[in-house]
Amino acid sequence: NAGVTQTPKFQVLKTGQSMTLQCAQDMNHNSMYWYRQDPGMGLRLIYYSASEGTTDKGEVPNGYNVSRLNKREFSLRLESAAPSQTSVYFCASMRGYLGSPLHFGNGTRLTVT
Amino acid sequence: TQLLEQSPQFLSIQEGENLTVYCNSSSVFSSLQWYRQEPGEGPVLLVTVVTGGEVKKLKRLTFQFGDARKDSSLHITAAQPGDTGLYLCAGEGEYGNKLVFGAGTILRVKS
Repeated sequence: NAGVTQTPKFQVLKTGQSMTLQCAQDMNHNSMYWYRQDPGMGLRLIYYSASEGTTDKGEVPNGYNVSRLNKREFSLRLESAAPSQTSVYFCASMRGYLGSPLHFGNGTRLTVT
Repeated sequence: TQLLEQSPQFLSIQEGENLTVYCNSSSVFSSLQWYRQEPGEGPVLLVTVVTGGEVKKLKRLTFQFGDARKDSSLHITAAQPGDTGLYLCAGEGEYGNKLVFGAGTILRVKS
């Protein structure tokens, strides 16, 4: 049982380049999330999808777009990368009922130079 | 926006010592979750508390949810080097589906 799978694990971009981070879950979860993690700032929500066909902004959505491709997959796109987007990105999923836990992938470490 | 303040940011203690991590907010949460994260991995759930005043124990870890559901604490008794990691609290809003995280506490237990 793979859980939440993220690709790639590492990526280096130059300022202005674009890329898409992929995420897939095999737990039949309704809700999926993208967080970024920076030292001393915990996890900050970028975008989330409460159910297939819906997406909503989180705390820090600027510079990002998302696509909920189907129930399994939720991608995060950086159209024009900036050094401020250097971070570790985590995809997560949950069933969506109150109190249900988040299941995280192992993260993508992104460096923008 | 609901905010969670987590303290302390960093703890370095000797094996066998006790410690407490705090998570505070001015907002009411429907549930409060605690996660532990190791380097190179995603956070993993330790516990969920839902009822105000609730206390849950997980071996040497004790979790408490405040009566008003605005704060929570994690107490570790007789810490072990294996407890080393990043501990994160996360609060769930009224309608679920979204968690807000504290900044985390880096715990280092020296043998």
